[in-house]
This record gives sequence, C-alpha cells and structure tokens, in this order.
Amino acid sequence: RKEVEQDPGPFNVPEGATVAFNCTYSNSASQSFFWYRQDCRKEPKLLMSVYSSGNEDGRFTAQLNRASQYISLLIRDSKLSDSATYLCVVRGGANNLFFGTGTRLTVIP
Amino acid sequence: GAVVSQHPSRVICKSGTSVKIECRSLDFQATTMFWYRQFPKQSLMLMATSNEGSKATYEQGVEKDKFLINHASLTLSTLTVTSAHPEDSSFYICSGGVEEGYTFGSGTRLTVV
Repeated sequence: RKEVEQDPGPFNVPEGATVAFNCTYSNSASQSFFWYRQDCRKEPKLLMSVYSSGNEDGRFTAQLNRASQYISLLIRDSKLSDSATYLCVVRGGANNLFFGTGTRLTVIP
Repeated sequence: GAVVSQHPSRVICKSGTSVKIECRSLDFQATTMFWYRQFPKQSLMLMATSNEGSKATYEQGVEKDKFLINHASLTLSTLTVTSAHPEDSSFYICSGGVEEGYTFGSGTRLTVV
C-alpha cells in the first residue's frame, strides 16, 4: 500500500468554482502534513501546512482528519493561476517526506 | 526561510559517463538533505537521505553504488549518477530545511543520450 494516495484527476473547473481534493495516508504515526503546489517542470512549493484544527489562507482551506487518516484541500473562487498539480505530502518518522501522485487542476476561463 | 540552491538545472550526458548534482543550503545548516527523483507524470520518489558526516540512507531499490551521495559539510550535499544510462533520465531534486515544510532545490533535469 502506498504511503500517500491521491486521486490524480484531472480536475477541470471553470473560473470561480470551488474545488476540493482529498488524500489518504497509511501511517497513523505521521505527524506533519502539507499541501504543495507543483507547476509543470518546476520544483514543488509549499502551499500550506495542515493542522489538526484546520487552517485557512485566503481562498485555500486545509483540513486533517486523523481518525480517518485523510487530508483535504478546498480552493474557493478558482483562478486561472491556480492551474497546477497539488501534492499531498506527509512527513514520516525519519523526517522524510512522502508524496502523493498529485492531483492535476486546470481552471478554465 | 530556508533556501536550497541546486545546480545544474539541466544536463545532457552520454551513456556511461557520470554526472554530479549539487545542493547547497544557503541560509541554514542542513544536517539532513533528501534526494528525490521524478519521472514524467509521476510523483516524486525518495531515493535517499543524506546525513552530514555519515553514510546516506538509501530507499529500497535504489543502488547506492550507482547513486553516490556525499554530504561532507552542513551546507553541501551532492548526488553523483555514475555510469549513466538512458533510463536514468529524470528530474532529480533535493530538499532540506530546519522547520516544517521543507524547501526544494530547483531540480536538475538529466537526459542521458
């Protein structure tokens, strides 16, 4: 079983739409969770950390459900510039990061 | 925030040659650096963890004699792809940091011809 699993998509949504991504992780002892954004042929960049209490940054909301071992990312009022691949990332016990396959989002004008 | 500088950004080499990729931590001391590989349309896969002053830890299936890692100082980790073959063509990227949310280098796109 993979450490982190995500729906690869693609998600094609119109501008202004709300879109949600989920991912699940297998190691119940994982401590830290993140969403990264990766543009084509570029390195991943941290979008936001995911806390147990949930956190919001502008149009982006991340939530963690430890009991069910899943993480979510909600994007409201989608912009064209939101088009990218969103990576669910979990930090393991040795401080290394495990990546989901990424969910590709395309926001359509 | 943590800044990681990686170079070269792109390299084309002939089969059988070796390629060295460098990652430098510019504003923090990296006791640990992670090396990933990403094939087209796939996720990043951890290859190895480099530890300053000691041997690297390799993930299962990654040949340590082929992918040589050196982490001789707190600011520099290198990955050398030895005797490169076309199937080694990939995007190699390092990551390090001192707080949550590790920073990535800009990646090295290796093409072996």
